[in-house]
Amino acid sequence: DAGVIQSPRHEVTEMGQEVTLRCKPISGHDYLFWYRQTMMRGLELLIYFNNNVPIDDSGMPEDRFSAKMPNASFSTLKIQPSEPRDSAVYFCASSRSGSSYNEQFFGPGTRLTVL
Amino acid sequence: AQSVTQPDIHITVSEGASLELRCNYSYGATPYLFWYVQSPGQGLQLLLKYFSGDTLVQGIKGFEAEFKRSQSSFNLRKPSVHWSDAAEYFCAVGGNGAAGNKLTFGGGTRVLVKP
Repeated sequence: DAGVIQSPRHEVTEMGQEVTLRCKPISGHDYLFWYRQTMMRGLELLIYFNNNVPIDDSGMPEDRFSAKMPNASFSTLKIQPSEPRDSAVYFCASSRSGSSYNEQFFGPGTRLTVL
Repeated sequence: AQSVTQPDIHITVSEGASLELRCNYSYGATPYLFWYVQSPGQGLQLLLKYFSGDTLVQGIKGFEAEFKRSQSSFNLRKPSVHWSDAAEYFCAVGGNGAAGNKLTFGGGTRVLVKP
């Protein structure tokens, strides 16, 4: 299995620009999670989906952030407009319900720098 | 509400010495417990997991963890540390039910290995 795939791995953009991060979960997994990691705040859960439906978006910082999952094999996290404080590493993770442990498998992350 | 506390933000250990990382959790039902490791610039990799059975669980890279229900702890140990173990370690708790496959992560412990 290829694991969770995220693209791009690095993104540098200017303040005010739209940023789109992409994630492909492991095939057969029905949960997908978006996290943000910063030195100041650690690892934060932004939103998660079950069967392509958003379940909990309480971690999304503000309306500039939006996430979609149009099908079981693809999700996007969009920031519009981006701000320097959005600079962080964004991780996507997936898991499968009904498995023994509900463990999450993480992608390699997207390092976002907003200038 | 579920929560995870990792009391040690940084730990420095000499190569070849033993390592123990502390994790205390709060969870209203029988917890699923996990330890993840994050090497610099990488995503999170699962080290080991526990749900039931033997309270001493073995993981990858020579790590083990012991579940102590009475102390609400799930401490991670390694008898002899290698330089490649320098990384950040995250404890996480989750479960079944309404929260689905959601995990709550601790703040992480950064391990530095001295030669």
